[in-house]
Amino acid sequence: EVQLVESGGGLVQPGGSLRLSCAASGFTFSSYAMTWVRQAPGKGPEWVSVISGSGTMPYYADAVKGRFTISRDNSKNTLYLEMNSLRAEDTAIYYCAKSGIVLMMYPRRLDQWGQGTLVTVSS
Amino acid sequence: DIQMTQSPSSLSASVGDSVTITCQASHDISVSLNWYQQKPGKAPKLLIYDVSNLDTGVPSRFSGSGSGTDFTLTINSLQPEDIATYYCQHYNNVPQYIFGQGTKLEIK
Repeated sequence: EVQLVESGGGLVQPGGSLRLSCAASGFTFSSYAMTWVRQAPGKGPEWVSVISGSGTMPYYADAVKGRFTISRDNSKNTLYLEMNSLRAEDTAIYYCAKSGIVLMMYPRRLDQWGQGTLVTVSS
Repeated sequence: DIQMTQSPSSLSASVGDSVTITCQASHDISVSLNWYQQKPGKAPKLLIYDVSNLDTGVPSRFSGSGSGTDFTLTINSLQPEDIATYYCQHYNNVPQYIFGQGTKLEIK
């Protein structure tokens, strides 16, 4: 059974930093691209970042480019999101999600999602 | 940038009804369109990919159609467990993943 478990969320002041983790199990982690998707309270999902299975060629939404860094450790089956210079508008539940197609560099669909971790940016 | 617009933003229907949700892209996106279902307090769940393909385990009362700029999600014989918010999502080779604003489905 595929499992994705996010952690690392919490309350942080504007300008602060957080590192989110997503522990994966139940599939060959290195064979799948992974994404981070966030959802602000009462809003729809918003894609944040994507990384290929090998960890190369990360891409970011314009809203987080230059502030967030996605990475992965395939030896630990873990995906990360380093978030710096956080703003109030970054407040959201952050989900990691798995590509639905093996060995595709970037997902065409997201077939498994974690339960999410809440990030609150507030003074 | 491509924008995805769903309608209606909310709807109310009775058990057994047929329900249609539409999603319009601001530019031609061919068939690069998925649908997700999100129940309160849960993560989104993939329902349909590439316009019309049901993900594993999705009941056959769900169906999708369309191409280019206009897409539909249809639920036949609505069940109580279908109460959720539904999102369309476009993907491209940039890569980008763009979600619609959602359609909240309630039971009358």
